[in-house]
Amino acid sequence: IAGITQAPTSQILAAGRRMTLRCTQDMRHNAMYWYRQDLGLGLRLIHYSNTAGTTGKGEVPDGYSVSRANTDDFPLTLASAVPSQTSVYFCASSGGERDNNEQFFGPGTRLTVL
Amino acid sequence: GQNIDQPTEMTATEGAIVQINCTYQTSGFNGLFWYQQHAGEAPTFLSYNVLDGLEEKGRFSSFLSRSKGYSYLLLKELQMKDSASYLCAVMDSNYQLIWGAGTKLIIKP
Repeated sequence: IAGITQAPTSQILAAGRRMTLRCTQDMRHNAMYWYRQDLGLGLRLIHYSNTAGTTGKGEVPDGYSVSRANTDDFPLTLASAVPSQTSVYFCASSGGERDNNEQFFGPGTRLTVL
Repeated sequence: GQNIDQPTEMTATEGAIVQINCTYQTSGFNGLFWYQQHAGEAPTFLSYNVLDGLEEKGRFSSFLSRSKGYSYLLLKELQMKDSASYLCAVMDSNYQLIWGAGTKLIIKP
């Protein structure tokens, strides 16, 4: 793979179900991020990780959890999905050699919670 | 609070020039980014400004005035493929990006 990938591409989920969105990058970037994007709003940071083994809360962390066991993977888990979590989720990474803090984005996961 | 403002939508003609403005109020400043996002796709990096002035990259240029909390993205010789949303984002004192809601640019023939 080259760059950053996300899975699944889209998902319809019943409220109350648990769901993990996967994100993998092969650029050896230290930092990774999860955003949600809703119509009329800017990208909002859910959680981030500055390096493997560490994570932090962003602007809208409630209802979500993350882990960073290694450099490449940064899964996002919804423990018990609610309809307000219907959104497009983007994973991003930064921290390569050409480091102007540019963030590279995955293709996104479109999640619908019914 | 932190705030990024940019127009919701703009319309321009193919071959023309358009300027998309962005004003910001953030806790600290470590650079301003412009990203392009086509419908249904991921944002892609366009430009980065950390010092005052104009950065030119082909048909696209980005300007920054830190004292005014202001930036603009200038697109020249517009092409139909430039129809997209343009996102302004500021890196705050914690090195987190604060994003504007984006400007949807519609290009007409």
